Amino acid sequence: QAVLTQPSSLSASPGAAVSLTCTFRSGIDVAAYRIYWYQQKAGSPPQFLLRYKPDPGDQLGSGVPSRFSGFKDASANAGILLISGVQSEDEAEYFCVIYHGSAWVFGGGTKLTVL
Amino acid sequence: QVQLQESGPGLVKASETLSLTCTVSGVSITSYQWSWIRRPAEKGLEWIGDVYFSGASDHNPALTSRVTMSVDMSKSQVSLKLRSVTAADTATYYCAGGQVGFGVDVWGQGTTVTVSS
Repeated sequence: QAVLTQPSSLSASPGAAVSLTCTFRSGIDVAAYRIYWYQQKAGSPPQFLLRYKPDPGDQLGSGVPSRFSGFKDASANAGILLISGVQSEDEAEYFCVIYHGSAWVFGGGTKLTVL
Repeated sequence: QVQLQESGPGLVKASETLSLTCTVSGVSITSYQWSWIRRPAEKGLEWIGDVYFSGASDHNPALTSRVTMSVDMSKSQVSLKLRSVTAADTATYYCAGGQVGFGVDVWGQGTTVTVSS
């Protein structure tokens, strides 16, 4: 079982609130980790969106709109990237990342389609 | 403004060594940790390793036996060498950087490397 699991795809309508989940493998406690989120559009490198634990190290990336925010769902043992009021320009692939076992571990990514 | 530019051959023969360089501008190379990350076509992102200006490095356990990473402070460059490549190493390779302990927040444009048989 992968350390981080993300749904492969998700679709949303413009203006909707969208939650992208990053589920931690059983036995790995989401509360203990800072979660990093990246956005990658076709033909472009990934862009840093935010990091969230929560603690003073939390940060929204430079130039990233405030409609992007991070949360955790302890009951689901998952990190969440919330896009409040999704826009067509948010159509992209989104990756979650943690530092686990002395290595950076990436989720498989979620392709978000804005219909 | 921090900028990273990867460079290196776009085609490498199987069993040979893939060598890439990342030129850093806009920040002192001593200020950040530097990472190499790759993305094979139709697959997700994979961390290759991190290197620090001291020369210390950490690698993906799945690749560590084939990876060497280094920093040239005089040239403000970070380098990656991946030995004994196979078709599975065909990917877009990214150089990335960030403050130590806080992951990466700046990425290069990436360079595509194809391993030929």
